[in-house]
Amino acid sequence: AQTVTQSQPEMSVQEAETVTLSCTYDTSESNYYLFWYKQPPSRQMILVIRQEAYKQQNATENRFSVNFQKAAKSFSLKISDSQLGDTAMYFCAFMKHNNNDMRFGAGTRLTVKP
Amino acid sequence: GAVVSQHPSWVICKSGTSVKIECRSLDFQATTMFWYRQFPKQSLMLMATSNEGSKATYEQGVEKDKFLINHASLTLSTLTVTSAHPEDSSFYICSARSTLAGLSSYEQYFGPGTRLTVT
Repeated sequence: AQTVTQSQPEMSVQEAETVTLSCTYDTSESNYYLFWYKQPPSRQMILVIRQEAYKQQNATENRFSVNFQKAAKSFSLKISDSQLGDTAMYFCAFMKHNNNDMRFGAGTRLTVKP
Repeated sequence: GAVVSQHPSWVICKSGTSVKIECRSLDFQATTMFWYRQFPKQSLMLMATSNEGSKATYEQGVEKDKFLINHASLTLSTLTVTSAHPEDSSFYICSARSTLAGLSSYEQYFGPGTRLTVT
């Protein structure tokens, strides 16, 4: 079974600074997808960024980027120029290729301080 | 595009009664829908996967007779919590997956969730 580990229950960062959220996963699969979701106080799950395991290039979406280390099974999220609106729970998720199962990590609560 | 709605957003029911939660894909056809449960300050746990026109597949430990899932059309799935008890109080989130061109076939689009409180 696949497991996703987020070892940082809570983090904080000053506005405009950079923060990195950690995620590791365990799988024997070679083809899969990784995601970072944001869940603000409204509890709506919002996709932040996704990475296909077969792609070596790290995904980037504006201020959000990942450091995908396939051999190390690591998938960290970097948020640059943090904004107050980035305050939320962040979940790392794993999904096998051609499979419906999406497995989530325990989440990291990020607080951006003014 | 790729909007998923849930109704109701919040429901309070008495112990022993049943409650139905709807999940709709508004602007795309969802061949597969998923139901998750989230307890306070915890992560999402997959309860079941439903494919249109077929029986749902439940995760281990999820009572299929208690959590009835129906996926009667490509845009609607329902979760019925039968004989609800206070321990069923939770946040229920659905998501939908589309195979339409233009939408990633592997990505899940999440609804806003339904808060269930059983008194």
